[in-house]
Formats: sequence, structure tokens, C-alpha cells
Amino acid sequence: GENVEQHPSTLSVQEGDSAVIKCTYSDSASNYFPWYKQELGKGPQLIIDIRSNVGEKKDQRIAVTLNKTAKHFSLHITETQPEDSAVYFCAVTAVNDYKLSFGAGTTVTVRA
Amino acid sequence: SQTIHQWPATLVQPVGSPLSLECTVEGTSNPNLYWYRQAAGRGLQLLFYSVGIGQISSEVPQNLSASRPQDRQFILSSKKLLLSDSGFYLCAWTPGFNQPQHFGDGTRLSIL
Repeated sequence: GENVEQHPSTLSVQEGDSAVIKCTYSDSASNYFPWYKQELGKGPQLIIDIRSNVGEKKDQRIAVTLNKTAKHFSLHITETQPEDSAVYFCAVTAVNDYKLSFGAGTTVTVRA
Repeated sequence: SQTIHQWPATLVQPVGSPLSLECTVEGTSNPNLYWYRQAAGRGLQLLFYSVGIGQISSEVPQNLSASRPQDRQFILSSKKLLLSDSGFYLCAWTPGFNQPQHFGDGTRLSIL
């Protein structure tokens, strides 16, 4: 399957600062890139996604950017709050593919 | 709106006992269904997926099996549990290709 690398594995930020998580992928046919947030003891929840025909998408304090040439995409969280503390996963899929390939996850801790 | 239910939320089973975890989706028809396992502090490992009733694809050879007896019901089973089957089991659904996967709240399985 697709190889997805996610960095960093852990990220600690001061409340109010920004957090950035980056993922790289290997298959140039990939065209759908969702991000998930997983809180302790819960299932992952979709927080934002982007398709290959768009370079950037924003939803309040969360944004995702996509660089298809370099095959990487990033999650940006601005004005971080304690409730942003969670594990974040990026994922990738290609046209006509039933499966998502997930990154290994980033544990984000927002310090008050 | 669509909802996904998994049960039980937690389960403690002895080694060698059978297993049956159930997942149901409401508010949609003919979803693609998925079973994942997540070890503590780790990423998501796809175990099985199904694109229709009776159609099961296995991703990893293992001690588990899956069945889809009805359109919106997905069952994960084992005849004899191993210690290595411990983990957090997640069910997910998607309406089709290149669509977000939506996860249930998972089952925490502990094998003693």
C-alpha cells in the first residue's frame, strides 16, 4: 500500500501558539487527504480534508495545505487551546481505492 | 444523519475464548465497512473491509475473521483468542471511493 510518513511524532506547544504537522506520501495518484483527531479512548474524528484539485482549505482555526508536486500536505492549528490536545492522524487515498493509508500519528499537547 | 455504533465498549476475555464484536451503521445504505485494530500508543492497522453483503477482504493474516450478514452490519470474530489479540478495535464506514471514513467509538479488548 501507500507509504505515508508523518512528522513529528510528538508536539508540545504553548496555549495560543500554532501547531503544524506534516505528512508525505509516495503515490502520485493519491487525490484525497483527510485529517483525523483522536481523543483518549475514542475513535478518530474527521476534522478537515482536502482534495487534489485544491491547494489549501481552512475551517476556523484549522487549515490544511497540499503540495502535489512535492507530495506532502500539512495540518495547521492556530491559537491552540487545551482541548486541541489529542493524537492527530493524516491519511491518503487514491481514485478507486477503497482503503485509506494512515500516518503513524502525532501526539499534540497544548500547555496552559 | 448517519451514525455508527460499536459494542461492547470494553471487553475482558480469557485466552482461548471466542470473540464477537458488532458494528452497525444507520442512516445510509450499501456503505463500505472497515475493521481496524490499534495497539496502545500506535497507529491504525486495517484488518478487514467489505464493499457489500457477504464480501470480505482480509488485509492481514491472523486469528480473526469478519462477516457482513446484513447491509449495515459488520461483525469481527475469533474462535480462540490469543494474548496478541488485545487492543482497541475500531469500526468505520464510508459511502464510497474517495470519501471520508467515519469511525465508531471502538471496543477496548483485554485478553487475560
